[in-house]
Amino acid sequence: AQSVTQPDIHITVSEGASLELRCNYSYGATPYLFWYVQSPGQGLQLLLKYFSGDTLVQGIKGFEAEFKRSQSSFNLRKPSVHWSDAAEYFCAACKRGSQGNLIFGKGTKLSVKP
Amino acid sequence: DAGVTQSPTHLIKTRGQQVTLRCSPKSGHDTVSWYQQALGQGPQFIFQYYEEEERQRGNFPDRFSGHQFPNYSSELNVNALLLGDSALYLCASSLTGTNSEQYFGPGTRLTVT
Repeated sequence: AQSVTQPDIHITVSEGASLELRCNYSYGATPYLFWYVQSPGQGLQLLLKYFSGDTLVQGIKGFEAEFKRSQSSFNLRKPSVHWSDAAEYFCAACKRGSQGNLIFGKGTKLSVKP
Repeated sequence: DAGVTQSPTHLIKTRGQQVTLRCSPKSGHDTVSWYQQALGQGPQFIFQYYEEEERQRGNFPDRFSGHQFPNYSSELNVNALLLGDSALYLCASSLTGTNSEQYFGPGTRLTVT
């Protein structure tokens, strides 16, 4: 069955430190991949997406993600975290060529220490 | 340019009742998808509407039904509410075509007592 796994439920980092959030997927073929952020009581905002091409993808708010086919991973990174980055982060995937039926991971909650 | 809007923001219903949630897509979008997000979980796909037809459906019972109107807005209906239906219901819109991303609304928080 298709699935997306985020191994870390909760991560705490100090402001200014680097960040990496992990995401692994299990699909028959390489899916489209996405990272979304959700602040408390809010909907989901798209940070970045990977469809094809360059495996290092740049997104909004200084985030980037690297697609690694050999590891079935799509990890999210940020060189220097700001207090405003505290939120819940979701990795998602959908079948290539499809638009709907996003499959989400369970999310990683990010806390930022001053 | 208005993004995806949803109404109401919050809703409290009693077990066994029926509920209707509403979604207006982002301007220019023609496809609407609905997701259920239980507390502490990632969103789960319910179904998707395009050209007023249900195009895809996730693993949800028939108690969950929907509709899309000619102006592309959509409704999600849930009958015979269960306590387990308590969740944040998210609507997402997109434009049909490949490589089109989904834009999410703020959600409707449904509490079933």
